[in-house]
Amino acid sequence: QKEVEQDPGPLSVPEGAIVSLNCTYSNSAFQYFMWYRQYSRKGPELLMYTYSSGNKEDGRFTAQVDKSSKYISLFIRDSQPSDSATYLCAMKKGGSYIPTFGRGTSLIVHP
Amino acid sequence: DADVTQTPRNRITKTGKRIMLECSQTKGHDRMYWYRQDPGLGLRLIYYSFDVKDINKGEISDGYSVSRQAQAKFSLSLESAIPNQTALYFCATSDAGSYEQYFGPGTRLTVT
Repeated sequence: QKEVEQDPGPLSVPEGAIVSLNCTYSNSAFQYFMWYRQYSRKGPELLMYTYSSGNKEDGRFTAQVDKSSKYISLFIRDSQPSDSATYLCAMKKGGSYIPTFGRGTSLIVHP
Repeated sequence: DADVTQTPRNRITKTGKRIMLECSQTKGHDRMYWYRQDPGLGLRLIYYSFDVKDINKGEISDGYSVSRQAQAKFSLSLESAIPNQTALYFCATSDAGSYEQYFGPGTRLTVT
């Protein structure tokens, strides 16, 4: 079993839908949780970052961490075709500078 | 200009050939990384370097070697390429103490 599990999708939704992307993990030492967005033929870019449990909101994006369940989520409100990309979760332990990445979920938002 | 650049962007090579992928950065970061990305497998770490004199193996270093020529340059070599090294390769950088990694645009390598 991989340390970080993420459904690769693809997830196809209509424009305007609320999107929920999720990752589960097995290592309770993970303390830092990140979401990267990767457009086709581009490198990943950091989208959201959360330390420990709780929620963090940035515009249409909300990152949520539930350490008790070892489960993290990224919500996208009012999804747009420009949100179509692969979303990778990443997490790392305290004191480590090497993140562990999920496989990425391909999201398609159709007009 | 892009902060992290990779050359070449695309490469087709034959089994057994030696190939070098190059990465340069203008962000002034000490830390540099090489990843490969395969469909369904996500990003896997090959090698990383925290400064010019520091080189560390990652999750999948077999068949690869690296050279950190300067703070801004980190090269990945495949000494004798094999078809299962066909993948998308990314270079990344980070600042000391930062959680964020900055990725280059990637090199698509095909080994026939």
